Amino acid sequence: DADVTQTPRNRITKTGKRIMLECSQTKGHDRMYWYRQDPGLGLRLIYYSFDVKDINKGEISDGYSVSRQAQAKFSLSLESAIPNQTALYFCATSAAGEDYGYTFGSGTRLTVV
Amino acid sequence: QKEVEQNSGPLSVPEGAIASLNCTYSDRGSQSFFWYRQYSGKSPELIMFIYSNGDKEDGRFTAQLNKASQYVSLLIRDSQPSDSATYLCAVNRGDYKLSFGAGTTVTVRA
Repeated sequence: DADVTQTPRNRITKTGKRIMLECSQTKGHDRMYWYRQDPGLGLRLIYYSFDVKDINKGEISDGYSVSRQAQAKFSLSLESAIPNQTALYFCATSAAGEDYGYTFGSGTRLTVV
Repeated sequence: QKEVEQNSGPLSVPEGAIASLNCTYSDRGSQSFFWYRQYSGKSPELIMFIYSNGDKEDGRFTAQLNKASQYVSLLIRDSQPSDSATYLCAVNRGDYKLSFGAGTTVTVRA
């Protein structure tokens, strides 16, 4: 099994719908992140959490919310999806006290029509 | 000015040649630097990280860091077709959040 699992892998949804993307990890890492990737723009940080009680906005948090249900689970919600939220979404984890970069999930390709 | 800038490419190199990728960053206080490889439709995969000025080698990959010039590079020696991918430069400013460049696409032609 993958260390960082994202569900669903692909999703097509309609404008205005609420959708949740889920991330779970078996790495035992405290830090979890949500990024979106758009062509030509790279990866941009949406939200991050350094422990279960810590939630922080990233550079592009508008239109998104998150929930850290447990150390191993970090969910991203789009409250009312819009077409410009069509992107590839990645969850990532890292270990507290270490600076060895991230472990990424396999990604969720979201299309809003 | 973007926090992390890379040439978008594409960079095309013949098999067996050296591919040279460049990255500049804007925050002089940045502490650690990472190179990720991303195949089309896949997730980024960490290939190198570097903290100190100078060179760091790992197999066919060499990362070079010059903090005074705010510049980090990646050399891929003896390039193989399997190296064809997008390479992402990432920078940690000291707050454990990575800022990413847009990536350089490398094509190794046989």
